[in-house]
Amino acid sequence: GENVEQHPSTLSVQEGDSAVIKCTYSDSASNYFPWYKQELGKGPQLIIDIRSNVGEKKDQRIAVTLNKTAKHFSLHITETQPEDSAVYFCAATNNYGQNFVFGPGTRLSVLP
Amino acid sequence: GAVVSQHPSWVICKSGTSVKIECRSLDFQATTMFWYRQFPKQSLMLMATSNEGSKATYEQGVEKDKFLINHASLTLSTLTVTSAHPEDSSFYICSAPGASGGYEQYFGPGTRLTVT
Repeated sequence: GENVEQHPSTLSVQEGDSAVIKCTYSDSASNYFPWYKQELGKGPQLIIDIRSNVGEKKDQRIAVTLNKTAKHFSLHITETQPEDSAVYFCAATNNYGQNFVFGPGTRLSVLP
Repeated sequence: GAVVSQHPSWVICKSGTSVKIECRSLDFQATTMFWYRQFPKQSLMLMATSNEGSKATYEQGVEKDKFLINHASLTLSTLTVTSAHPEDSSFYICSAPGASGGYEQYFGPGTRLTVT
C-alpha cells in the first residue's frame, strides 16, 4: 500500500520568510496530492492540491510542486504570516473517492 | 459549498458507556464517508469507510463491533463507540468526497472524545 513520508516534522521561520515542506510517496499509481492545514482542535482544511498531470500549481502565497519521477511533492509558502502557524499534512491517493494516506505532519511556527 | 459538520464537537463519557458521533454533509450528498482517528500530535489514521446503504469497510486492526458505523442516508453517517475505554479517547474526524466529481475531500471539524 501507499506510504507517505513528510519532512521536516517541525519548522520555525521568521515572519515574511518562506517555508518549504516536502513529502515523498511510495505508490507510483498515486495521482492526486492534497495539502491540508490543521489548526489546534479543528479539522483539516484543504489549502491546495495537485494532480499527477501537472508539475506545479500556485494560489497566491501558496504553491505546490510535483516530481512524479522522484515521487515527491512539496508545499511552498511565501511571505509567511503568524496566522500560517499550524500543522500541515500532505496526502496521496490513487483513486477518485477513495481515502487518503496522510503524511505524519509538519508543525509550522511563524515567529513575529 | 462542500461543508461537512460533526456533532458533538466534544463529549465526555464514562468507561463502559457508548457514545454516538454524527457526520453530515450539509450541501451535497455523499455515498461514501470516511472516519479517521487522530491521537495528540499524530497524523490522521483511517478507521473505516462508510457506505450508504451497505456495510462499512474497516481498516485492519479496527474492531467493527466496537466502532459501529451506520450510513443511513446520503447526508448522514454515524460512528458509535461502544463500551468505551480511556484508550478510546481521541479526536475523531470524518470526511466526504465533494460533489464536483473530482478528487477533493472535505473534512468535518472533528469530535474530541474523552473517556473517564
